[in-house]
Amino acid sequence: AQSVTQPDIHITVSEGASLELRCNYSYGATPYLFWYVQSPGQGLQLLLKYFSGDTLVQGIKGFEAEFKRSQSSFNLRKPSVHWSDAAEYFCAVGSSNDYKLSFGAGTTVTVRA
Amino acid sequence: SQTIHQWPATLVQPVGSPLSLECTVEGTSNPNLYWYRQAAGRGLQLLFYSVGIGQISSEVPQNLSASRPQDRQFILSSKKLLLSDSGFYLCACGQIQETQYFGPGTRLLVL
Repeated sequence: AQSVTQPDIHITVSEGASLELRCNYSYGATPYLFWYVQSPGQGLQLLLKYFSGDTLVQGIKGFEAEFKRSQSSFNLRKPSVHWSDAAEYFCAVGSSNDYKLSFGAGTTVTVRA
Repeated sequence: SQTIHQWPATLVQPVGSPLSLECTVEGTSNPNLYWYRQAAGRGLQLLFYSVGIGQISSEVPQNLSASRPQDRQFILSSKKLLLSDSGFYLCACGQIQETQYFGPGTRLLVL
């Protein structure tokens, strides 16, 4: 069964600084990987996804993520954080033969001025 | 692209009362539909999913149930709510091998 680990529960970053959120997955075959963002009291919004091809994926809001098969990782990055990026971020993994996604526990990002 | 509607947005219910949360989807046909629960400060827990009308799979034993009376309608129900049913309920839709998209959620508080 697939699983996802987000090692960082909470990250605080200064506005304008870079951000990296870690995601490690466990899955035997090639996974489908996703990053979602959730603002307080809202649903989840898709930031980016990886199905195949180029391992560096560009998403919305200036985010990117890199799939590293050797490390079973799919870390999310943003070069310069804005105050509006304060939210909770979820990594998820799926597969070609399963209807379900497995989500990590989430990382809360706080942006300080 | 698909749009997911959920209502109500917020609900306060007494313990032991019934529950009905509705999710409808526009802009797609024959989607897979999902109900998730998010407890305060916790991640997402998949409760139910459906691959077609009348087809429901339960992921977690509990006092909740789900039904799919129409292709783009997914309902979450309970006959008697427990305090532990409080949380944020999210409906999602997607197709196999594709992205899941989420609705705005319903916040349920059981008192």
